[in-house]
Amino acid sequence: TQLLEQSPQFLSIQEGENLTVYCNSSSVFSSLQWYRQEPGEGPVLLVTVVTGGEVKKLKRLTFQFGDARKDSSLHITAAQPGDTGLYLCAGVDSGYALNFGKGTSLLVTP
Amino acid sequence: ETGVTQTPRHLVMGMTNKKSLKCEQHLGHNAMYWYKQSAKKPLELMFVYSLEERVENNSVPSRFSPECPNSSHLFLHLHTLQPEDSALYLCASSQAAPSAYEQYFGPGTRLTVT
Repeated sequence: TQLLEQSPQFLSIQEGENLTVYCNSSSVFSSLQWYRQEPGEGPVLLVTVVTGGEVKKLKRLTFQFGDARKDSSLHITAAQPGDTGLYLCAGVDSGYALNFGKGTSLLVTP
Repeated sequence: ETGVTQTPRHLVMGMTNKKSLKCEQHLGHNAMYWYKQSAKKPLELMFVYSLEERVENNSVPSRFSPECPNSSHLFLHLHTLQPEDSALYLCASSQAAPSAYEQYFGPGTRLTVT
């Protein structure tokens, strides 16, 4: 099992602020995914990054895959209360298994 | 709407009970998964089925028994569980390997073992 470390573990900010969360590993992944999970629900896939150095944007969310494909970041611009949730990163190793991090719990207050 | 449904959404069972969790996917996928999500732990993969055959079992106790009768349905049969088995059980589906990495999750079943 390849470990994914996510930081910070918890983040509480006010509406309108910017934030970045990180996903790091000592292992190389063929691809990496970001999910958001709301309380009582399953994770919802946000994005998949495949190429080292790749940047993808989803409205106010910007995802970056590290050049060496060992780490990734998620940047949110002008956070809104609807962004509140648990952000999970997951890396693919064997082709069947997704290795998940523990997640970053984000709270955005009005 | 994720296209993956799970029932029941909540389940409370005693340690001597037998119950089953059900998952159905409407996405035309060929692989299905069971995960366990406990507080302060990463999601743990329990079982993987690809084209209705089990391809991975991550040393899950025998009190959990999966069943995949077709590519759209997945069950997790539970018996003589322990309190530490209380968790959110998530089902997911994807295209069969090697393109198995984009997984779509159901809403989960919150299981409490008393």
